[in-house]
Amino acid sequence: GALVYQYPRRTICKSGTSMRMECQAVGFQATSVAWYRQSPQKTFELIALSTVNSAIKYEQNFTQEKFPISHPNLSFSSMTVLNAYLEDRGLYLCGARTGNTEVFFGKGTRLTVV
Amino acid sequence: GQQVQQSPASLVLQEGENAELQCNFSSTATRLQWFYQRPGGSLVSLLSNPSGTKHTGRLTSTTVTKERRGSLHISSSQITDSGTYLCAMEQGTGSKLSFGKGAKLTVSP
Repeated sequence: GALVYQYPRRTICKSGTSMRMECQAVGFQATSVAWYRQSPQKTFELIALSTVNSAIKYEQNFTQEKFPISHPNLSFSSMTVLNAYLEDRGLYLCGARTGNTEVFFGKGTRLTVV
Repeated sequence: GQQVQQSPASLVLQEGENAELQCNFSSTATRLQWFYQRPGGSLVSLLSNPSGTKHTGRLTSTTVTKERRGSLHISSSQITDSGTYLCAMEQGTGSKLSFGKGAKLTVSP
């Protein structure tokens, strides 16, 4: 079946440092990968959508300079949170799919900033 | 404004009762997907359908795209059904989903 693995599951970083998280698609080709964040007491916000052979599209309030994303092949994507501060804490989810099929999510990376 | 609105925000039922969760969206959607969020935060995909009705086990998802609404029906609720249910709307192709704020379901004995 189709699975998405995310790692690390939990991480703590010091304020002002950076943290990289990874997303691995197994059993299908991740032609599209989207990264979401759920901040405390909020719903999921889309950070950016990466589609193979297209430029990565960032949503309002999120920039490449802050959240650089890599999507080098059809099974892997990574995102870095640069210069993390308290407002960046939350659960980061990777959602991947092939073409127009159902989106499969990983279990997320929970980021704590101290 | 909020593109996806869920109602009710919370629901308390007794075991065995049915639950009906609603989802309304403010713009054209190509698909509606329902998720269950585990206490640790991870999402479990329940049902995904562009339109019409889809069943799996005790769950029924109905999407009426033209009316910009959908629903998730849980029949004969169990205590283990307790948790947060999220509705997500998809616009166009790709993985972009817009999530509602969720509905917290509590099923008591």
